[in-house]
Amino acid sequence: DADVTQTPRNRITKTGKRIMLECSQTKGHDRMYWYRQDPGLGLRLIYYSFDVKDINKGEISDGYSVSRQAQAKFSLSLESAIPNQTALYFCATSDRRVLAGGNTGELFFGEGSRLTVL
Amino acid sequence: TQLLEQSPQFLSIQEGENLTVYCNSSSVFSSLQWYRQEPGEGPVLLVTVVTGGEVKKLKRLTFQFGDARKDSSLHITAAQPGDTGLYLCAGSQFGGTNAGKSTFGDGTTLTVKP
Repeated sequence: DADVTQTPRNRITKTGKRIMLECSQTKGHDRMYWYRQDPGLGLRLIYYSFDVKDINKGEISDGYSVSRQAQAKFSLSLESAIPNQTALYFCATSDRRVLAGGNTGELFFGEGSRLTVL
Repeated sequence: TQLLEQSPQFLSIQEGENLTVYCNSSSVFSSLQWYRQEPGEGPVLLVTVVTGGEVKKLKRLTFQFGDARKDSSLHITAAQPGDTGLYLCAGSQFGGTNAGKSTFGDGTTLTVKP
Protein backbone atom coordinates (compact mmCIF):
# COMPACT_ATOMS: atom_id res chain seq x y z
CA ASP A 1 0.00 0.00 0.00
CA ALA A 2 1.13 3.53 -0.73
CA ASP A 3 2.52 5.59 2.15
CA VAL A 4 0.63 8.68 0.92
CA THR A 5 -2.86 7.97 -0.41
CA GLN A 6 -5.04 10.41 -2.29
CA THR A 7 -8.73 10.07 -3.09
CA PRO A 8 -10.27 10.39 -5.56
CA ARG A 9 -7.64 9.72 -8.26
CA ASN A 10 -9.82 11.25 -10.93
CA ARG A 11 -12.81 13.56 -10.71
CA ILE A 12 -14.87 15.41 -13.28
CA THR A 13 -17.20 18.08 -11.97
CA LYS A 14 -19.12 21.15 -13.06
CA THR A 15 -18.50 24.81 -12.42
CA GLY A 16 -19.84 25.90 -9.02
CA LYS A 17 -19.72 22.49 -7.37
CA ARG A 18 -17.96 21.87 -4.08
CA ILE A 19 -15.12 19.39 -4.29
CA MET A 20 -13.01 17.76 -1.59
CA LEU A 21 -9.75 15.96 -2.21
CA GLU A 22 -8.51 13.79 0.63
CA CYS A 23 -5.04 12.72 1.65
CA SER A 24 -3.91 10.25 4.28
CA GLN A 25 -0.40 9.12 5.17
CA THR A 26 1.20 6.30 7.11
CA LYS A 27 4.71 7.78 7.21
CA GLY A 28 4.22 9.41 10.61
CA HIS A 29 5.33 12.79 9.28
CA ASP A 30 4.20 16.02 10.92
CA ARG A 31 4.24 18.15 7.79
CA MET A 32 1.71 17.87 4.98
CA TYR A 33 1.31 19.87 1.78
CA TRP A 34 -1.03 20.36 -1.15
CA TYR A 35 0.50 21.20 -4.52
CA ARG A 36 -1.04 21.89 -7.88
CA GLN A 37 0.67 20.87 -11.14
CA ASP A 38 -0.08 22.43 -14.51
CA PRO A 39 1.81 21.69 -17.73
CA GLY A 40 4.95 23.83 -17.95
CA LEU A 41 4.41 25.39 -14.52
CA GLY A 42 5.98 22.80 -12.25
CA LEU A 43 4.48 22.34 -8.80
CA ARG A 44 2.93 25.29 -6.98
CA LEU A 45 2.16 25.25 -3.26
CA ILE A 46 -1.50 25.75 -2.29
CA TYR A 47 -1.50 25.16 1.49
CA TYR A 48 0.74 23.51 4.01
CA SER A 49 0.47 22.33 7.60
CA PHE A 50 3.29 21.68 10.06
CA ASP A 51 1.02 20.03 12.62
CA VAL A 52 -2.67 19.57 13.39
CA LYS A 53 -3.10 23.11 14.74
CA ASP A 54 -0.95 24.81 12.11
CA ILE A 55 -2.33 25.78 8.67
CA ASN A 56 -0.53 28.12 6.28
CA LYS A 57 -1.31 29.58 2.88
CA GLY A 58 0.98 28.85 -0.01
CA GLU A 59 1.54 30.89 -3.14
CA ILE A 60 -1.82 30.09 -4.79
CA SER A 61 -4.35 29.62 -1.96
CA ASP A 62 -7.20 31.74 -3.40
CA GLY A 63 -10.26 29.59 -4.14
CA TYR A 64 -9.06 26.74 -1.92
CA SER A 65 -9.38 25.77 1.74
CA VAL A 66 -7.91 22.93 3.79
CA SER A 67 -8.57 20.94 6.92
CA ARG A 68 -6.05 18.97 8.99
CA GLN A 69 -8.32 16.47 10.70
CA ALA A 70 -5.50 14.48 12.28
CA GLN A 71 -1.75 14.12 11.95
CA ALA A 72 -2.31 11.63 9.17
CA LYS A 73 -5.10 13.39 7.27
CA PHE A 74 -5.10 16.62 5.25
CA SER A 75 -7.96 17.50 2.92
CA LEU A 76 -8.22 20.16 0.22
CA SER A 77 -11.55 21.75 -0.69
CA LEU A 78 -12.71 23.82 -3.62
CA GLU A 79 -15.83 25.58 -2.35
CA SER A 80 -17.04 26.58 -5.80
CA ALA A 81 -15.00 24.98 -8.54
CA ILE A 82 -14.10 26.95 -11.68
CA PRO A 83 -12.58 25.68 -14.96
CA ASN A 84 -9.13 27.19 -14.34
CA GLN A 85 -8.84 24.92 -11.30
CA THR A 86 -8.60 21.99 -13.70
CA ALA A 87 -5.21 20.50 -12.81
CA LEU A 88 -3.33 17.63 -11.22
CA TYR A 89 -3.26 17.94 -7.43
CA PHE A 90 -0.63 16.33 -5.22
CA CYS A 91 -0.49 15.79 -1.51
CA ALA A 92 2.98 15.45 0.03
CA THR A 93 4.51 14.86 3.44
CA SER A 94 7.81 15.79 5.02
CA ASP A 95 9.66 14.90 8.19
CA ARG A 96 10.48 17.99 10.27
CA ARG A 97 13.42 16.36 11.94
CA VAL A 98 16.92 17.17 10.73
CA LEU A 99 18.47 13.78 10.29
CA ALA A 100 22.08 12.79 9.71
CA GLY A 101 23.00 13.64 6.16
CA GLY A 102 20.74 16.69 6.07
CA ASN A 103 17.71 15.17 4.42
CA THR A 104 15.21 17.69 5.72
CA GLY A 105 13.21 19.18 2.89
CA GLU A 106 12.54 15.90 1.17
CA LEU A 107 8.94 15.46 0.10
CA PHE A 108 7.03 12.22 -0.30
CA PHE A 109 4.16 12.50 -2.75
CA GLY A 110 0.88 10.73 -3.29
CA GLU A 111 -0.08 9.51 -6.74
CA GLY A 112 -2.12 12.59 -7.53
CA SER A 113 -5.75 13.55 -8.06
CA ARG A 114 -6.70 14.67 -11.54
CA LEU A 115 -9.52 17.21 -11.38
CA THR A 116 -11.46 18.44 -14.38
CA VAL A 117 -13.91 21.30 -13.97
CA LEU A 118 -16.32 21.72 -16.87
CA THR B 1 9.69 34.99 -3.67
CA GLN B 2 12.30 32.37 -4.41
CA LEU B 3 12.54 31.17 -8.00
CA LEU B 4 14.25 28.18 -9.55
CA GLU B 5 14.90 28.21 -13.28
CA GLN B 6 15.29 24.83 -14.85
CA SER B 7 16.72 24.21 -18.31
CA PRO B 8 16.16 22.88 -20.83
CA GLN B 9 12.40 22.51 -20.61
CA PHE B 10 12.36 19.67 -23.15
CA LEU B 11 15.11 17.27 -24.16
CA SER B 12 14.86 14.46 -26.71
CA ILE B 13 17.93 12.29 -27.23
CA GLN B 14 18.97 8.89 -28.54
CA GLU B 15 19.79 5.99 -26.26
CA GLY B 16 23.43 6.07 -25.22
CA GLU B 17 23.84 9.85 -25.32
CA ASN B 18 24.82 11.97 -22.33
CA LEU B 19 22.81 14.95 -21.07
CA THR B 20 22.84 17.64 -18.41
CA VAL B 21 19.90 19.43 -16.81
CA TYR B 22 20.45 22.70 -14.99
CA CYS B 23 18.67 24.30 -12.04
CA ASN B 24 19.55 27.91 -11.24
CA SER B 25 18.45 30.49 -8.70
CA SER B 26 19.49 33.83 -7.25
CA SER B 27 18.53 32.51 -3.81
CA VAL B 28 20.63 30.40 -1.47
CA PHE B 29 19.04 27.11 -0.41
CA SER B 30 19.73 24.96 2.65
CA SER B 31 19.20 21.85 0.57
CA LEU B 32 18.19 20.95 -2.95
CA GLN B 33 16.29 17.91 -4.13
CA TRP B 34 15.91 16.27 -7.51
CA TYR B 35 12.75 14.32 -8.27
CA ARG B 36 11.65 12.16 -11.20
CA GLN B 37 8.01 11.90 -12.21
CA GLU B 38 6.41 9.44 -14.60
CA PRO B 39 2.99 9.97 -16.21
CA GLY B 40 0.13 9.26 -13.84
CA GLU B 41 2.35 9.17 -10.78
CA GLY B 42 3.66 11.54 -8.17
CA PRO B 43 7.26 12.80 -8.12
CA VAL B 44 9.76 10.42 -6.54
CA LEU B 45 12.84 11.66 -4.73
CA LEU B 46 16.15 10.87 -6.42
CA VAL B 47 18.65 12.74 -4.24
CA THR B 48 19.20 15.53 -1.73
CA VAL B 49 22.32 17.73 -1.77
CA VAL B 50 23.16 19.93 1.19
CA THR B 51 26.79 21.04 1.09
CA GLY B 52 28.10 23.59 -1.40
CA GLY B 53 30.17 21.81 -4.05
CA GLU B 54 28.72 18.43 -3.11
CA VAL B 55 28.61 15.73 -5.78
CA LYS B 56 26.42 12.66 -5.46
CA LYS B 57 26.21 9.72 -7.83
CA LEU B 58 23.29 7.38 -8.32
CA LYS B 59 24.32 4.76 -10.89
CA ARG B 60 24.48 6.71 -14.18
CA LEU B 61 23.15 9.93 -12.63
CA THR B 62 25.50 12.53 -11.17
CA PHE B 63 24.14 15.43 -9.12
CA GLN B 64 26.12 18.51 -8.19
CA PHE B 65 25.29 21.39 -5.83
CA GLY B 66 26.93 24.70 -6.64
CA ASP B 67 29.55 26.11 -4.31
CA ALA B 68 27.23 28.98 -3.33
CA ARG B 69 24.24 26.63 -2.94
CA LYS B 70 22.26 28.59 -5.56
CA ASP B 71 22.39 26.13 -8.42
CA SER B 72 22.55 22.44 -9.23
CA SER B 73 22.98 20.12 -12.18
CA LEU B 74 21.92 16.61 -13.06
CA HIS B 75 24.09 14.70 -15.54
CA ILE B 76 23.00 11.40 -17.03
CA THR B 77 25.58 9.20 -18.71
CA ALA B 78 24.58 6.80 -21.47
CA ALA B 79 20.87 7.55 -21.23
CA GLN B 80 18.41 4.69 -21.54
CA PRO B 81 14.71 4.67 -22.50
CA GLY B 82 13.91 3.94 -18.86
CA ASP B 83 15.29 7.37 -17.97
CA THR B 84 12.37 8.99 -19.80
CA GLY B 85 10.31 11.21 -17.52
CA LEU B 86 9.89 14.64 -15.97
CA TYR B 87 12.81 15.76 -13.83
CA LEU B 88 12.13 18.38 -11.17
CA CYS B 89 14.52 20.27 -8.94
CA ALA B 90 13.34 21.79 -5.66
CA GLY B 91 15.07 24.05 -3.16
CA SER B 92 14.35 24.02 0.56
CA GLN B 93 15.11 26.25 3.51
CA PHE B 94 15.71 25.04 7.05
CA GLY B 95 14.92 28.43 8.63
CA GLY B 96 13.44 31.87 7.99
CA THR B 97 10.10 32.77 6.46
CA ASN B 98 10.38 29.99 3.87
CA ALA B 99 11.29 27.28 6.37
CA GLY B 100 9.80 23.92 5.50
CA LYS B 101 8.58 25.01 2.06
CA SER B 102 10.02 23.72 -1.19
CA THR B 103 10.30 25.85 -4.31
CA PHE B 104 10.12 23.84 -7.53
CA GLY B 105 11.57 24.45 -10.95
CA ASP B 106 9.25 24.08 -13.94
CA GLY B 107 10.73 20.70 -14.83
CA THR B 108 12.62 19.10 -17.70
CA THR B 109 10.78 16.57 -19.84
CA LEU B 110 13.32 14.00 -21.01
CA THR B 111 12.60 11.55 -23.80
CA VAL B 112 15.18 8.88 -24.59
CA LYS B 113 14.56 7.14 -27.89
CA PRO B 114 15.68 3.53 -28.42
